[in-house]
Amino acid sequence: GQSLEQPSEVTAVEGAIVQINCTYQTSGFYGLSWYQQHDGGAPTFLSYNGLDGLEETGRFSSFLSRSDSYGYLLLQELQMKDSASYFCAVSPGTALIFGKGTTLSVSS
Amino acid sequence: DAGVTQSPTHLIKTRGQQVTLRCSPISGHKSVSWYQQVLGQGPQFIFQYYEKEERGRGNFPDRFSARQFPNYSSELNVNALLLGDSALYLCASSHWDGAPHGYTFGSGTRLTVV
Repeated sequence: GQSLEQPSEVTAVEGAIVQINCTYQTSGFYGLSWYQQHDGGAPTFLSYNGLDGLEETGRFSSFLSRSDSYGYLLLQELQMKDSASYFCAVSPGTALIFGKGTTLSVSS
Repeated sequence: DAGVTQSPTHLIKTRGQQVTLRCSPISGHKSVSWYQQVLGQGPQFIFQYYEKEERGRGNFPDRFSARQFPNYSSELNVNALLLGDSALYLCASSHWDGAPHGYTFGSGTRLTVV
């Protein structure tokens, strides 16, 4: 089966850099993606790191260690609007398997 | 360009009823996937369709079914609704089949079963 572990909550201050970790266990692997979701709205793509390349958007970057089944999302120059839920997701095939999400709270 | 559009945005149904949710993908996207997100959890994969064929199915009962139309829009049907079906139902579209990335999600349909 597949499972993903990520912290339930992370707090940080404006302007800081924050790292959200994700460890995964999957029977197949193509890549690790990261999505942001505000208040139950549409998840929006942040980063993908996998067998066919790397995609990153804006202030968001990611790291992947396939040998350790571990990755993280790095958010730089934090802003209040970055307060949201962040999900890591693995792709063992055509579907995305999501973690339970990390709630990021950014304070001034 | 319009993003992924889903309708309705909210609805309330009674246990035992049936519901149909609709999704229009981004123009040019041929793949549509459906996800269920229960409050406080990550989205859970239900179905993927590509070129009107089912390409993947998650661990959901047969009460859940879907289809994709020639214009690549899609419907998700849920029969015999249970209280536990209350969730945000998300649709995601992408260019091609089997790509593990490049998904764009809609804002979802919030289903409440009473």
